[in-house]
Amino acid sequence: DAGVIQSPRHEVTEMGQEVTLRCKPISGHNSLFWYRQTMMRGLELLIYFNNNVPIDDSGMPEDRFSAKMPNASFSTLKIQPSEPRDSAVYFCASSFYNEKLFFGSGTQLSVL
Amino acid sequence: GQNIDQPTEMTATEGAIVQINCTYQTSGFNGLFWYQQHAGEAPTFLSYNVLDGLEEKGRFSSFLSRSKGYSYLLLKELQMKDSASYLCAVRGLNQAGTALIFGKGTTLSVSS
Repeated sequence: DAGVIQSPRHEVTEMGQEVTLRCKPISGHNSLFWYRQTMMRGLELLIYFNNNVPIDDSGMPEDRFSAKMPNASFSTLKIQPSEPRDSAVYFCASSFYNEKLFFGSGTQLSVL
Repeated sequence: GQNIDQPTEMTATEGAIVQINCTYQTSGFNGLFWYQQHAGEAPTFLSYNVLDGLEEKGRFSSFLSRSKGYSYLLLKELQMKDSASYLCAVRGLNQAGTALIFGKGTTLSVSS
């Protein structure tokens, strides 16, 4: 199995630009999670989906963030407009029901 | 709400034993996980406890006391490659019950 696949690995953009992060979960997994990691705040849950349906988006910082899961094999996290404080590593993870989470390699986002 | 506490940093020497503690307060409880994260990499699963007691897996063991809201990860025969961040995570009870909430992690430095 290829594991959870995220793209891009690195993204450098300027303040105000739109950023789209992509994730392909492990085939057969029915839960998908987006986390953000910073030194100050650690690993924070942004949103998660069960069977392609958003269950809890209370961790999404503000309206500039949005996430979609149009099918079982693809999800996106979009930031529009981006701000320097959004700079972080964004991880996507997937699981089969209540089993352990498998993480992707992450996207290192730098907003200048 | 949920709160997870673990020490920020720990140091130890090769061959030693180290115990990393984690205390949690959650609205409901549905399992506790430990993840390992090397610098610049994604978190990887180490152990899972849902019932009280000790789970042993090679050099690593994890203990849980639900009544005390307490867990620890025990690492034996430390090796240099064990230098990493160790993340405690709790699965609470919500309508779907699958999201993990992570502590900020304990950075372990192993020296020779």
